[in-house]
Amino acid sequence: ILNVEQSPQSLHVQEGDSTNFTCSFPSSNFYALHWYRWETAKSPEALFVMTLNGDEKKKGRISATLNTKEGYSYLYIKGSQPEDSATYLCALGADSNYQLIWGAGTKLIIKP
Amino acid sequence: DGGITQSPKYLFRKEGQNVTLSCEQNLNHDAMYWYRQDPGQGLRLIYYSQIVNDFQKGDIAEGYSVSREKKESFPLTVTSAQKNPTAFYLCASSSEVEQFFGPGTRLTVL
Repeated sequence: ILNVEQSPQSLHVQEGDSTNFTCSFPSSNFYALHWYRWETAKSPEALFVMTLNGDEKKKGRISATLNTKEGYSYLYIKGSQPEDSATYLCALGADSNYQLIWGAGTKLIIKP
Repeated sequence: DGGITQSPKYLFRKEGQNVTLSCEQNLNHDAMYWYRQDPGQGLRLIYYSQIVNDFQKGDIAEGYSVSREKKESFPLTVTSAQKNPTAFYLCASSSEVEQFFGPGTRLTVL
């Protein structure tokens, strides 16, 4: 059974500080790694989909890296803002993008 | 507005009753999905459909059924055989890569 782990489970960060968190997955089966942001009372929204080892993606102050050989991805947020408060989910596509295996998420709370 | 709608937002049912959750999309996506979320856990795939009139079981399909008669619609029936149906249910659709989600339905079985 493939398992995707996210750490930490929750994180409190001061506004303006930078932060990062981890998604770990089995490196034996890999098709794609997805990152989603899920704000309270809204629907999850895709941030990145990464497929190549060493891939780096960036959207504004948020970026992500991927290491498929060792089975991890980092999500970085630079200069955290209150609107960054959300649960960040990662999901592994082991054979395709249809059957994703989801981590439990990292809940990020930005303190003003 | 393009998107995915789920109804109702909250649903209460008595134990032993079947209940159907609605999911509609106007994004012209071929694939649609049903997920269940329980506290402290990741999303778990119930069923998915890559194309009209075809669907596959996900990791936790027991006690659930779906149909895909139209591209826009993918209703989920929670049957009385589902042992612990109280949960948050999310529907999603995708073209090829990223998934787009609806607002979810919170089902409580009394």
